[in-house]
Amino acid sequence: DTAVSQTPKYLVTQMGNDKSIKCEQNLGHDTMYWYKQDSKKFLKIMFSYNNKELIINETVPNRFSPKSPDKAHLNLHINSLELGDSAVYFCASSLPGGARVVLHFGNGTRLTVT
Amino acid sequence: DAKTTQPTSMDCAEGRAANLPCNHSTISGNEYVYWYRQIHSQGPQYIIHGLKNNETNEMASLIITEDRKSSTLILPHATLRDTAVYYCISHFNAGGTSYGKLTFGQGTILTVHP
Repeated sequence: DTAVSQTPKYLVTQMGNDKSIKCEQNLGHDTMYWYKQDSKKFLKIMFSYNNKELIINETVPNRFSPKSPDKAHLNLHINSLELGDSAVYFCASSLPGGARVVLHFGNGTRLTVT
Repeated sequence: DAKTTQPTSMDCAEGRAANLPCNHSTISGNEYVYWYRQIHSQGPQYIIHGLKNNETNEMASLIITEDRKSSTLILPHATLRDTAVYYCISHFNAGGTSYGKLTFGQGTILTVHP
């Protein structure tokens, strides 16, 4: 009964392809996120959704498009993949917490673009 | 959110207490201090958070100085499974585009040895 689950765990693809990463949470949270961890291990937010509405959209190329069919799911679609997109992508979720927020992360999807 | 500074790495003997320091000298009055850890090949895991008072849960204790400029995460009886990167983060969830936007630095690599 994994709380935040992502699929696939590993994704190897060639430049120019389009790929999707799926995320599901069974915690009943309203807010979901995508974070990216680069090769230097820095973790940065990409997007957040609250009840299927986009809240945060950091300066991410528009080749990245998140989609939230319902509040338990937040998928990430990436068009025209580039070498620099290689990273680990983490999905997370949280309850609305007022001044404080606790994020629950999935175990990541390691994307390798060749 | 205030910048946090942590030692790059620390060692601890199994069974002993691990004390991980964090400096956040520019923290504002409404920012919480959060601690997360990332075990190899897993997503970040929430440990504990606090505002002013010391906090304790089943995982750890958080000691925040009276001036709130620094804090210490204490793992009372470290085990080999506590080997991970530990992140100290200060954040005020002002809503809107700051919601869940945690800034992860490089953290402290804690190695627990037998």
